[in-house]
Amino acid sequence: GESVGLHLPTLSVQEGDNSIINCAYSNSASDYFIWYKQESGKGPQFIIDIRSNMDKRQGQRVTVLLNKTVKHLSLQIAATQPGDSAVYFCAETDDMRFGAGTRLTVKP
Amino acid sequence: DTGVSQDPRHKITKRGQNVTFRCDPISEHNRLYWYRQTLGQGPEFLTYFQNEAQLEKSRLLSDRFSAERPKGSFSTLEIQRTEQGDSAMYLCASSPQQGNQPQHFGDGTRLSIL
Repeated sequence: GESVGLHLPTLSVQEGDNSIINCAYSNSASDYFIWYKQESGKGPQFIIDIRSNMDKRQGQRVTVLLNKTVKHLSLQIAATQPGDSAVYFCAETDDMRFGAGTRLTVKP
Repeated sequence: DTGVSQDPRHKITKRGQNVTFRCDPISEHNRLYWYRQTLGQGPEFLTYFQNEAQLEKSRLLSDRFSAERPKGSFSTLEIQRTEQGDSAMYLCASSPQQGNQPQHFGDGTRLSIL
């Protein structure tokens, strides 16, 4: 069946560096994607979303890129801070599917 | 706090017991979702409501699971005859009805089966 998945389970970066978290999806009809951040013991927190008629969307320190040709999403975090350490999920909301997540660790 | 609220935060019970969890969504949100999350995995969709109508159920939702949203506001998720494999975090989320909107999650109920 269709699935949403992530390329890497863990990512470690130095404080101040930029982070890039990737996500692949296989449902070409997917229309809406969301990135969530989940800290330990808490529920997922909305970061940014993008609709399929866009290829880029920017927020505060975060940018989401959507490549529909290769069915790939990425989340870029600028100037990563220790508070960004968490697990990041992409979600394809048409089927309400989440990837397994990437754990981002920021080293001071 | 006007976010999604879940109760209890933690539940420990013996295998075979029944448990019920409650979710209070953001008040103006028509849609309410239940997910299950095990360690190291993303949330897995269980079911969702639009107002009081249960519109979709996952195959993960066995006959031992039932969810209700009788007045279109809060929802309950009941698990009967709990099994070891039911140990997980149960997350609730809500969203507005109109168009594509992000889901807002509560902090979950962690269920541990002894």
